[in-house]
Amino acid sequence: GDSVTQMEGPVTLSEEAFLTINCTYTATGYPSLFWYVQYPGEGLQLLLKATKADDKGSNKGFEATYRKETTSFHLEKGSVQVSDSAVYFCALSDLESGGSYIPTFGRGTSLIVHP
Amino acid sequence: GAGVSQTPSNKVTEKGKYVELRCDPISGHTALYWYRQSLGQGPEFLIYFQGTGAADDSGLPNDRFFAVRPEGSVSTLKIQRTERGDSAVYLCASSWTRRDTQYFGPGTRLTVL
Repeated sequence: GDSVTQMEGPVTLSEEAFLTINCTYTATGYPSLFWYVQYPGEGLQLLLKATKADDKGSNKGFEATYRKETTSFHLEKGSVQVSDSAVYFCALSDLESGGSYIPTFGRGTSLIVHP
Repeated sequence: GAGVSQTPSNKVTEKGKYVELRCDPISGHTALYWYRQSLGQGPEFLIYFQGTGAADDSGLPNDRFFAVRPEGSVSTLKIQRTERGDSAVYLCASSWTRRDTQYFGPGTRLTVL
């Protein structure tokens, strides 16, 4: 079945540092890929998505590129802020390729940014 | 309200008791989902409603779990004879249709003693 593997946290960075959170996936079809973010005390929010190979999703300074050859969708940000401290979830769904619309989530990676 | 709301935010119960968890989706959203998130894990799908009907309940772990959405808006997740292993955060999400972005509520943290 489909699965998502993301790097374990917590990831601890100083403000303005460069961020990478790795995510790789296994899927039978051609999935859509997502990053969700969960701020303390809030629900999960869609951060960005990409629906086909080589697509780049971006939002709030975060980017991720759909790499079919490496089955990866790594999240990056050039300069993190304290307000980016949250848990980040990589996810996939097969909806666009006619499969399940139910997303499969990774375990989440906690990001802690210090001033 | 503007977002998905869930009540209660925390529920502590004893093993063997019955609990109900409520979800108020965004007004007009026809699709509603329940997920369970255990500590250190991502959300796991439980059940999906399209309108009033459960279109996909393949994620419910056993027959102690049941959910309803009688008027196509508010949904209630019901757990009978709770077990300690049911302790988790239960998340609700809604979307316009199943193809659209899901909006998540803050969750209900269930603790079974």
